[in-house]
Amino acid sequence: NAGVTQTPKFQVLKTGQSMTLQCAQDMNHEYMSWYRQDPGMGLRLIHYSVGAGITDQGEVPNGYNVSRSTTEDFPLRLLSAAPSQTSVYFCASSLGVSSYNEQFFGPGTRLTVL
Amino acid sequence: GQQLNQSPQSMFIQEGEDVSMNCTSSSIFNTWLWYKQDPGEGPVLLIALYKAGELTSNGRLTAQFGITRKDSFLNISASIPSDVGIYFCAGYGGATNKLIFGTGTLLAVQP
Repeated sequence: NAGVTQTPKFQVLKTGQSMTLQCAQDMNHEYMSWYRQDPGMGLRLIHYSVGAGITDQGEVPNGYNVSRSTTEDFPLRLLSAAPSQTSVYFCASSLGVSSYNEQFFGPGTRLTVL
Repeated sequence: GQQLNQSPQSMFIQEGEDVSMNCTSSSIFNTWLWYKQDPGEGPVLLIALYKAGELTSNGRLTAQFGITRKDSFLNISASIPSDVGIYFCAGYGGATNKLIFGTGTLLAVQP
């Protein structure tokens, strides 16, 4: 199993550009989520999904869209990038939403918005 | 948003020393987790705690779920260079019952 994969690993955008961060998992996990990591802030939840076709907002959803058309994929879209979205983005997945289900994290996408 | 207060922010120690870090919250958590993040990688789960007062070990790592359910501690004994990284506490509970992360402790170990 590849686990949780994320592409790209690095990305530089100009203010106003749009892009999609890709996340895929091959563990048949129902629960998937996106976090952003900023210095001194830990990881903060952006959006999450409890299964295909179901998504919901996390703590910091503004400026981001998600969809979940398949169990395997959970892309994160930035519609109009802003410098405040410069961050490291992590995708995670787990069997379910229960706290007993370990969340597995991808290697991250490092995004810089100029 | 809700965050966990983690301390210390950073530690610079000699190989062989023991390390202690802790995490506190203003609200009660039902589960406490400790993660390690290596440079350029995502966090990896080290220890999970599910009951107040629970003490769990994973090799040289020991973590405890505080009796008040508002704090947790992680100890690393006899540190080695590969212990270098950022350690995060995380908890389920509070107002949203979503996974909330601490601010992280950066650990540097000098051989």
